[in-house]
Amino acid sequence: AQTVTQSQPEMSVQEAETVTLSCTYDTSESDYYLFWYKQPPSRQMILVIRQEAYKQQNATENRFSVNFQKAAKSFSLKISDSQLGDAAMYFCAYRSSASGYALNFGKGTSLLVTP
Amino acid sequence: DAGVIQSPRHEVTEMGQEVTLRCKPISGHNSLFWYRQTMMRGLELLIYFNNNVPIDDSGMPEDRFSAKMPNASFSTLKIQPSEPRDSAVYFCASTAGGSPPYEQYFGPGTRLTVT
Repeated sequence: AQTVTQSQPEMSVQEAETVTLSCTYDTSESDYYLFWYKQPPSRQMILVIRQEAYKQQNATENRFSVNFQKAAKSFSLKISDSQLGDAAMYFCAYRSSASGYALNFGKGTSLLVTP
Repeated sequence: DAGVIQSPRHEVTEMGQEVTLRCKPISGHNSLFWYRQTMMRGLELLIYFNNNVPIDDSGMPEDRFSAKMPNASFSTLKIQPSEPRDSAVYFCASTAGGSPPYEQYFGPGTRLTVT
């Protein structure tokens, strides 16, 4: 079974600064997809960014970017120019076609943004 | 589109009672997922359906849990009898499925409290 590990239960960043959230995963599959989801206090799950394993280029979405290291099985999220609205739980998730389309989530990282 | 709709948003019940959670996926989506979120176990898949057929129910905790999808626009998750350890947030998500991996859209969740 695939496992997703987020080793940072909590992180803190000052407004306008940059923060990186870590995620590692374990899999023997070659075709898979990785995601970062944001869960604010409203508890709504919001997709932040996704990465296809076959793509070498790191995905970016405005202030959000990833550092995908396939050999190291690492998938970190970088948030630039942090804003107060970025404060939330962030979940890393894995999905492959071989194991169905369900998402396998890490335990999450709570991000605090200070003024 | 109204997004994934879940009801009720909050449910408080006494141990031993039957609980039914409901989900209406986004129209046109052919895959539906039920996830459970707790502090101890994080987000975990309970069951998912593809074209109304249960594909993987290995995450269903025990026989007290059952899920149905009688048609493409409705699914239920039933707990009978409920126990305090079932207290959690239950999410329903849907996706168009297929390739590329279309985004899973999450409902707002149902917060279940069993006393």
